[in-house]
Amino acid sequence: QKEVEQNSGPLSVPEGAIASLNCTYSDRGSQSFFWYRQYSGKSPELIMFIYSNGDKEDGRFTAQLNKASQYVSLLIRDSQPSDSATYLCAVKGPGGFKTIFGAGTRLFVKA
Amino acid sequence: KAGVTQTPRYLIKTRGQQVTLSCSPISGHRSVSWYQQTPGQGLQFLFEYFSETQRNKGNFPGRFSGRQFSNSRSEMNVSTLELGDSALYLCASSLEVRDGYTFGSGTRLTVV
Repeated sequence: QKEVEQNSGPLSVPEGAIASLNCTYSDRGSQSFFWYRQYSGKSPELIMFIYSNGDKEDGRFTAQLNKASQYVSLLIRDSQPSDSATYLCAVKGPGGFKTIFGAGTRLFVKA
Repeated sequence: KAGVTQTPRYLIKTRGQQVTLSCSPISGHRSVSWYQQTPGQGLQFLFEYFSETQRNKGNFPGRFSGRQFSNSRSEMNVSTLELGDSALYLCASSLEVRDGYTFGSGTRLTVV
């Protein structure tokens, strides 16, 4: 079982729709959870982090964490073509070291 | 505020050679991590340093090594290069270990 799993996609949504990206992790002791966006040919860029169960909103982005289900999600509201990228879920283990990345979900937003 | 700086941006090496990659983190960031990114394997964790100490190491052979200096700058070294080592090597820094990363632009290594 992979430590951090994501659906590789591609996920295609129309402009203005909500994009929902999901991630599961295997280490129950994980403490910090992150979403990164990576455009083609560029480095990953941190867009959201969440430490506690529940929802965290930042502009059009909402991160959701359910530690009991070992599940993290990212919602992108009012999706724009500029949101088209690969979204990487990342999890930090106990002690805060060693961040493990999922393989990423490719998102396409159609104009 | 300068970002994470990686040098060189591109490298072409021959099998069997060794290579050293450099990373300067954001000023004040004490945690530096290294990742290998390939199309097939995604981002694979190499090592993480905090205050000059290696805190964790990924599942890579001993040919891969690294270190962090007192000014938080970090280097990674790969000896006896193999064709499979061709990849984008990314360095990332964070203020504290719990925080998310800021990535550098990476070093694209090609082994021929």
